[in-house]
Amino acid sequence: LAKTTQPISMDSYEGQEVNITCSHNNIATNDYITWYQQFPSQGPRFIIQGYKTKVTNEVASLFIPADRKSSTLSLPRVSLSDTAVYYCLVGGPGGADGLTFGKGTHLIIQP
Amino acid sequence: NAGVTQTPKFQVLKTGQSMTLQCAQDMNHEYMSWYRQDPGMGLRLIHYSVGAGITDQGEVPNGYNVSRSTTEDFPLRLLSAAPSQTSVYFCASSYWGADPQETQYFGPGTRLLVL
Repeated sequence: LAKTTQPISMDSYEGQEVNITCSHNNIATNDYITWYQQFPSQGPRFIIQGYKTKVTNEVASLFIPADRKSSTLSLPRVSLSDTAVYYCLVGGPGGADGLTFGKGTHLIIQP
Repeated sequence: NAGVTQTPKFQVLKTGQSMTLQCAQDMNHEYMSWYRQDPGMGLRLIHYSVGAGITDQGEVPNGYNVSRSTTEDFPLRLLSAAPSQTSVYFCASSYWGADPQETQYFGPGTRLLVL
């Protein structure tokens, strides 16, 4: 499974755009990139998924360069409620080992 | 749809006791899995199943058993609880298709304390 590297923590302020970058140098041809969000005392929940270029939904955007060795989750105009841990995953249930979560990025939004 | 449900929400065990954590989903998902999450850590995969009658080990399977007799249920058994198994346990489910990465749906978690 492709290993991912992302910052342990990030700080920002309400109303700002936040970009969290994840490195996945050994991503396989068939791998997708997925981001999950986890609030304290809750299970993770799906945010966005992509294969290449750019994907946007009502919550976030995901930017993937042509070599796919990294990806950037972009959260527009964050609020206090966006304080959470964000996980970048590559690969998934289609693989033999299921999903592998790293430690994620703890995003703290301040007023 | 109730989604993924887990019971109990919280449990205290003594060392050596056994128990079963229940997980059920009503989305007709083929894939189900169990994770544990320790303080400040990410989730680690314990066991997973790609369909009824099929289970496999994840990253940290020792001390845990699973079975999958129905599509809906995927219980996790602690054979002889140890303090090192104190953790929060999450169950998740998803479709199992040609797409290499289906969206996982997580339950609310079970907090387990082993004394």
